[in-house]
This record gives sequence, structure tokens and C-alpha cells, in this order.
Amino acid sequence: GESVGLHLPTLSVQEGDNSIINCAYSNSASDYFIWYKQESGKGPQFIIDIRSNMDKRQGQRVTVLLNKTVKHLSLQIAATQPGDSAVYFCAEGRSNTGNQFYFGTGTSLTVIP
Amino acid sequence: SQTIHQWPATLVQPVGSPLSLECTVEGTSNPNLYWYRQAAGRGLQLLFYSVGIGQISSEVPQNLSASRPQDRQFILSSKKLLLSDSGFYLCAWSAHPGDEQYFGPGTRLTVT
Repeated sequence: GESVGLHLPTLSVQEGDNSIINCAYSNSASDYFIWYKQESGKGPQFIIDIRSNMDKRQGQRVTVLLNKTVKHLSLQIAATQPGDSAVYFCAEGRSNTGNQFYFGTGTSLTVIP
Repeated sequence: SQTIHQWPATLVQPVGSPLSLECTVEGTSNPNLYWYRQAAGRGLQLLFYSVGIGQISSEVPQNLSASRPQDRQFILSSKKLLLSDSGFYLCAWSAHPGDEQYFGPGTRLTVT
């Protein structure tokens, strides 16, 4: 669900290290999840998605893990690069509410060269 | 490939003035279209969505309205802006309800 906080969680990593960004969702009925990347002043960019019938999905340098038992989602970025610096947030959707996604406030990732 | 455009990119308007933000999608037909507002440090808030021409659903009661005069055009309007309308407005599209949504570049609105 949404956080009402005004300060984003932050994560700083060294260039070349792996990053793990976490997201907790609120509704056990959610069955579709998306990770977005948002650079400052730009619209969110789709990274990767996963449906509830899977617990892991891999893309290019990114992996999403889904733990339905504890309602937790994570995004792993391998060999983090300076261009990965952005805010990352997850979105949860439910099949019975086709047009409604619930977005988290996000985590601000800073990659240190 | 599909692209989504929004304009203007930035806008500064006085309180009480009207608003018109435009969103267009290219490369697809009959998309589902969405308007979101993103306030600083907060998640995206769905304002309106549309499954077809002339079909608008409102998620949050407010002084904003939306229209879809053409298949790939979505407009966000207000007759009189409030200070609280300031924010980053994002348009998005999806091929079908419940599919992944793709966002436009956004409009930064500042109401003074």
C-alpha cells in the first residue's frame, strides 16, 4: 500500500556492487507486480514485472523475487552502474481491479562511482 | 513501437486559472489511458482512467476533470486551479486493463 511519509528510503552502493531494493505490499489478493525506475524530473520507466504464480523472474541485470508468504517483493540489480541512480518503486495490481495499481513511494538509489 | 507524449513539460499557473494538460499515444489503438498525480515523496495517485473514447472513470473527487476526445488523446482539465493542485502529472497507457502501464514524461505544474 501507499506510504504517507515525505522522506524516501535511500540506498547508496558502490559502482559494480549488487543492489537490493525491497518493497512490502499490503494486500494478499494482489497478483501482479511491477518495478519502475524514475529518474529525476522524468516519468517512471517499466523495468520488470512478475505474476503471483512465479517467485522469481530475471531480466537484463535485474531479478525480481516475490515472497507471497510475507508479502514482500525485491529488485536485485547486478553490477550497479551510475546510470542506475534513480528512485525505484513497486506497483501491485489485482486481477479483479483491472485498472487500479497501487504504487509505493519508492527507494532512492545512489550509485557511488 | 509505442510512444507517449505529454505537454507542456512545465507549467506555472496562478490560483483560479484554468488548466489543460494533453497526452497523446502513438503506435497503438484503443489503449487504456490513465492520469496520475505524484506529489513529492508520495506514491502515484490515480486520478482518471479511460477504456475508450468518451469513457472516463474518476478515482478521486476533486476540481479536475478528464476527457478523451480521440482514441489516443487524453486531456486533464480544471476550471479553477487550487494551490493543492501543484504536482507532477503523469499520463500512462496500457494495452488492456491490468497490463503493465507505460508512462509519459510528465508535466510539472506549479500553482502560485
